[in-house]
Amino acid sequence: SQELEQSPQSLIVQEGKNLTINCTSSKTLYGLYWYKQKYGEGLIFLMMLQKGGEEKSHEKITAKLDEKKQQSSLHITASQPSHAGIYLCGADSMDSSYKLIFGSGTRLLVRP
Amino acid sequence: DSGVTQTPKHLITATGQRVTLRCSPRSGDLSVYWYQQSLDQGLQFLIQYYNGEERAKGNILERFSAQQFPDLHSELNLSSLELGDSALYFCASSEGGVSTDTQYFGPGTRLTVL
Repeated sequence: SQELEQSPQSLIVQEGKNLTINCTSSKTLYGLYWYKQKYGEGLIFLMMLQKGGEEKSHEKITAKLDEKKQQSSLHITASQPSHAGIYLCGADSMDSSYKLIFGSGTRLLVRP
Repeated sequence: DSGVTQTPKHLITATGQRVTLRCSPRSGDLSVYWYQQSLDQGLQFLIQYYNGEERAKGNILERFSAQQFPDLHSELNLSSLELGDSALYFCASSEGGVSTDTQYFGPGTRLTVL
């Protein structure tokens, strides 16, 4: 079955620093989603990537899908305390057409 | 605010009991998905309904069942509850039923089984 591995598991950065979170799939990705979750709350959709080499940005967050479509990265520029939370990558599982699988998440803490 | 609503926000019950979680999708969305998030299992897909019919099944226990009503709201029924069922249960909705549709998540229902 397809699996998503996220790294790092947790990250503590100083406000203003840049950071990158990675998501690696055991199989080719046909739809990769990034979500943010505030502790104990619902998931907030950030971005979806489908094409190899695709890159999308929203405010200070940029997500990329590599050409081989097996890895995605989420980059935050000039981090702020409001960026703190859990970042989850999700992908359309090729084991089942309509199943979304998730990585284990990256916990981000931004120190003011 | 994603437009997906879930009730109740919190639920505390005892082992062996039965509970019902409710989800209202975003206006116009035909698909509803249920997920369970626990500390040890992470976020796991349970089941999907599309326009009232079951579309896909994930790691849903036989003690759990769901349905989607004509007005498109959905309910997840959990019975014979065990301590291990304590988790956050999320509902998500999407416009269609295909894998490329973006899913929008509700705020979740936190279930505690004592």
